Amino acid sequence: NAGVTQTPKFQVLKTGQSMTLQCAQDMNHEYMSWYRQDPGMGLRLIHYSVGAGITDQGEVPNGYNVSRSTTEDFPLRLLSAAPSQTSVYFCASQLRGREAFFGQGTRLTVV
Amino acid sequence: KQEVTQIPAALSVPEGENLVLNCSFTDSAIYNLQWFRQDPGKGLTSLLLIQSSQREQTSGRLNASLDKSSGRSTLYIAASQPGDSATYLCAVLFGNEKLTFGTGTRLTIIP
Repeated sequence: NAGVTQTPKFQVLKTGQSMTLQCAQDMNHEYMSWYRQDPGMGLRLIHYSVGAGITDQGEVPNGYNVSRSTTEDFPLRLLSAAPSQTSVYFCASQLRGREAFFGQGTRLTVV
Repeated sequence: KQEVTQIPAALSVPEGENLVLNCSFTDSAIYNLQWFRQDPGKGLTSLLLIQSSQREQTSGRLNASLDKSSGRSTLYIAASQPGDSATYLCAVLFGNEKLTFGTGTRLTIIP
């Protein structure tokens, strides 16, 4: 099993550009989520999904969009990148109420 | 608001000593609590998961305890080694199924 795979690992965007961060898991987990990690702020939940076709907002959803068309994939879209979205992004998956597994992260810089 | 707090933010300990990391949370209605390790520039590695019905979990030199009534968990590391140096994160899965993180304790083991 590959676990949770995130791509790309690094990305530089210009203000106003859009992009999609990819997240895939091969553990048949129904629950997937996206976090951003900023210095001094810890990990904050952006969006999450409890199954295919179901998504909901977390603590900091503004400027991000998600969809969940399959169990395996949970992409995160930045609609119009802003410098405030410079961060490290982590995707996680888990069975409901069980251990959460994290990807290696995507380091995003918006200039 | 459901919050998770980790104090201190940083801790330095001589090699070989036993140590305790602390985590507190504001809502006793939890599914589980998970301890992670994060090395600089890396993703999160799961160390221990404690379900709400459990009091403690052990893995090697690590022991995690949970006291829901007081809203506290501790991670005990025995016979610390320089390789234990990392940031340790506590995350609580609350009843609303959102995994909430503390800001972490940066641990340095001094050889």
